[in-house]
Amino acid sequence: QQPVQSPQAVILREGEDAVINCSSSKALYSVHWYRQKHGEAPVFLMILLKGGEQKGHDKISASFNEKKQQSSLYLTASQLSYSGTYFCGTGPITGGGNKLTFGTGTQLKVEL
Amino acid sequence: GAGVSQSPSNKVTEKGKDVELRCDPISGHTALYWYRQSLGQGLEFLIYFQGNSAPDKSGLPSDRFSAERTGGSVSTLTIQRTQQEDSAVYLCASSVRSSHNEKLFFGSGTQLSVL
Repeated sequence: QQPVQSPQAVILREGEDAVINCSSSKALYSVHWYRQKHGEAPVFLMILLKGGEQKGHDKISASFNEKKQQSSLYLTASQLSYSGTYFCGTGPITGGGNKLTFGTGTQLKVEL
Repeated sequence: GAGVSQSPSNKVTEKGKDVELRCDPISGHTALYWYRQSLGQGLEFLIYFQGNSAPDKSGLPSDRFSAERTGGSVSTLTIQRTQQEDSAVYLCASSVRSSHNEKLFFGSGTQLSVL
C-alpha cells in the first residue's frame, strides 16, 4: 500500500523551514527520499534504515521512526533550489530488496 | 555512460499499437527497475531485475506489459495493444545492488502518449 505524504503542497519564502511527513501502514526496513524537478529525473536525497536514525545533508535532514512507521524530511533555511516535488519511497521489512513503494509526493515551492 | 539513459524521450502512438521503451543502466549496476508516473501521481512500481535472478513482475498492471533484460545490462519494456490509460512517463532506475541501503539512479524517462 502506498505511503501517505503530507502536506500535498507547500509554498515557502526563501529562508523559511518546512517539514514533509511520510506514513506507512506496513512495517518498514527503509525509507528513501528523492526530489524531482519539473521534467527531470528524481534525484536521491537520503536513505534511512531501521534503527530510528536521523541523517543530515547540508540543511536537509530526515528522521525515521520505525515503531510509528513514519519518516519526516526537514528542510531548514530553504533556498530557491529546494523547489520541486519530494517523494518518499518505502522498503518493506520482508523481501523486495530495494523495491520501493513511493508516496504521491509533496510539491514544494520556494519564493523570494 | 555517466547516468541512466532512456530512449526514446517521447513516444506518441495510436491506440492498439505496440511500443518498446529502452533503458541503459549505469555500467556495473546489477539491479534495474521500471516505474510509471502518471500525471500528478507518484511513482508506481512495475518490475525489477537483480542480476541473473528471475525478475519481480509483481507491479505489471496487465499481461500487455512485459520486460526483459539482456546480458544483465540493457532492458526493454514492451507494451502491447496500447490503451489511452497507458499514457504516462515511464522511468527506469538502476542501483549497484538490490539491497535496502542502495540509492536508485533514475533516467529522465520516456513520455508515452497514446492517442
